[in-house]
Amino acid sequence: RKEVEQDPGPFNVPEGATVAFNCTYSNSASQSFFWYRQDCRKEPKLLMSVYSSGNEDGRFTAQLNRASQYISLLIRDSKLSDSATYLCVVANTGGFKTIFGAGTRLFVKA
Amino acid sequence: NAGVTQTPKFRVLKTGQSMTLLCAQDMNHEYMYWYRQDPGMGLRLIHYSVGEGTTAKGEVPDGYNVSRLKKQNFLLGLESAAPSQTSVYFCASRIRGGAWGTDTQYFGPGTRLTVL
Repeated sequence: RKEVEQDPGPFNVPEGATVAFNCTYSNSASQSFFWYRQDCRKEPKLLMSVYSSGNEDGRFTAQLNRASQYISLLIRDSKLSDSATYLCVVANTGGFKTIFGAGTRLFVKA
Repeated sequence: NAGVTQTPKFRVLKTGQSMTLLCAQDMNHEYMYWYRQDPGMGLRLIHYSVGEGTTAKGEVPDGYNVSRLKKQNFLLGLESAAPSQTSVYFCASRIRGGAWGTDTQYFGPGTRLTVL
């Protein structure tokens, strides 16, 4: 079993739609959680950190459920520019060792 | 600030050849990482370093060596390249510690390596 698992998709949604991604992790000792965005043939870039209480950044909302060991990302009012691969990232205590999920591909269509 | 830079951007090797990938960061970060990314596999950690002069193995270290002689540089070496090492290689760095939400990794643009 992979340490971090994501649905690879692709998710095909129209502009304006709301879409949600989930990610599960196996190491209960994991301490830090992130969502990264990766555009085609580019490097990953941080989208948002995931706080225990959940957090929101504009159209993006991240949630953490430690009991069930999953992280979610909700995108509201999807834009064409949201088309990308979204990577779930989990870090151990100390944060120096991170595990990346394989990513979920999103296509937003006009 | 240039952030994280990688050299070269592209390279084609023949089986058995050797090469070194260079990663440089100008953010004074303590931690540096080398990943490889293959289709459907996501990023896999090859080696990492928590400070100058220290290195450690990640998830897929076989066939690679690393050195961190200077804080700003992290080198990844392939002693005898194999077709299985065809991949995109990303370097990343981050600060040590840091408040919640600031402990993010910053990535270089990647090196696309093909081994024939």
